[in-house]
Amino acid sequence: GQQLNQSPQSMFIQEGEDVSMNCTSSSIFNTWLWYKQDPGEGPVLLIALYKAGELTSNGRLTAQFGTTRKDSFLNISASIPSDVGIYFCAGQLYNFNKFYFGSGTKLNVKP
Amino acid sequence: DAMVIQNPRYQVTQFGKPVTLSCSQTLNHNVMYWYQQKSSQAPKLLFHYYDKDFNNEADTPDNFQSRRPNTSFCFLDIRSPGLGDAAMYLCATSRDRNEQFFGPGTRLTVL
Repeated sequence: GQQLNQSPQSMFIQEGEDVSMNCTSSSIFNTWLWYKQDPGEGPVLLIALYKAGELTSNGRLTAQFGTTRKDSFLNISASIPSDVGIYFCAGQLYNFNKFYFGSGTKLNVKP
Repeated sequence: DAMVIQNPRYQVTQFGKPVTLSCSQTLNHNVMYWYQQKSSQAPKLLFHYYDKDFNNEADTPDNFQSRRPNTSFCFLDIRSPGLGDAAMYLCATSRDRNEQFFGPGTRLTVL
């Protein structure tokens, strides 16, 4: 199956700091999604990206679809304690129904 | 609000005793997915229905079956649960090959 490399695996930051995480693939993807998952809950969709180079924001979150179509980035500005959780990227190949998931980035925010 | 609903949220079963998890959706999406997720790992796709067409992943054990009696409902049947099947089971839906929306998950415990 497809491998998505998501980094970093975990982050420990201070409240107010900005955060960046990324996903890379050896394949060209048609769609990139970013999810946040809280303990014991299902992943919640944060941002969907459909075009190479696309930059989309959702509040303090900004994600980009890499121009090579093999990577995507998620930035969180001015982090707050409720940003704590696991962030997953997911990519979709052209004409495929399913998404391939990264291994997740666990974010910890110290107040 | 349109949503993906999973019942129950917590299910306890005995080793070898068949169990059924259910998922319903009010989004009128034509694609429904079942994922297995273990301890902070990425969700692992078990199978999906594209309309009425069932698509099994190559590495999904035969122990796992699914039924989709209509557009709104989808069931995951585990015929003989083993200790290794204890996990969070996530249902997701999408409109064709667009972004997926997840339910809250069912946490399965096998005694």
